[in-house]
Amino acid sequence: QKEVEQNSGPLSVPEGAIASLNCTYSDRGSQSFFWYRQYSGKSPELIMFIYSNGDKEDGRFTAQLNKASQYVSLLIRDSQPSDSATYLCAVRNSGNTPLVFGKGTRLSVIA
Amino acid sequence: GAGVSQSPSNKVTEKGKDVELRCDPISGHTALYWYRQSLGQGLEFLIYFQGNSAPDKSGLPSDRFSAERTGGSVSTLTIQRTQQEDSAVYLCASSLSGMRGYTFGSGTRLTVV
Repeated sequence: QKEVEQNSGPLSVPEGAIASLNCTYSDRGSQSFFWYRQYSGKSPELIMFIYSNGDKEDGRFTAQLNKASQYVSLLIRDSQPSDSATYLCAVRNSGNTPLVFGKGTRLSVIA
Repeated sequence: GAGVSQSPSNKVTEKGKDVELRCDPISGHTALYWYRQSLGQGLEFLIYFQGNSAPDKSGLPSDRFSAERTGGSVSTLTIQRTQQEDSAVYLCASSLSGMRGYTFGSGTRLTVV
């Protein structure tokens, strides 16, 4: 059974701080890794994807992947109240096979 | 279209009735997925279509659930003899071939009363 684990939160951070969201996965064959953001009552939207070990930066977001530890994280710098949402981690084996999602971490950025 | 379109956005049905949910993927996207999300729960995979290949039905929770994709584009998810536990948001997503993530539609909120 492929599993993706996330701390459900809520994770509360003050405005301007760095938010760190973590995810572990069970399937060593996983090849691609995704972070989605989901606002309450809305559908998930893709923030970032990462395939290789190391860091990948996009604006205020940095995804970090460590395949040996089966760990992927998302850092949000200069957190804003508008970043308050549930963040979903997802992994995929190959090609177009379905993403396996974690249950998400709820982030609250306090102004 | 520009995005993944789902209809209806909301559906209230009586227990035991059949429902059909529709998904129109992004033009040119060959892969189409159905998930459902119950209140406070994660996304549960239901079924996946890739081009002309046989669909991956491994996530369908019972034989009351079925889906088809016509002409490699629009997909319909059918739930027969609905039960209260079928109440959830049903999300459709599509993607191009390759390793990128996919784009979700806005979902259909199904309520079985």
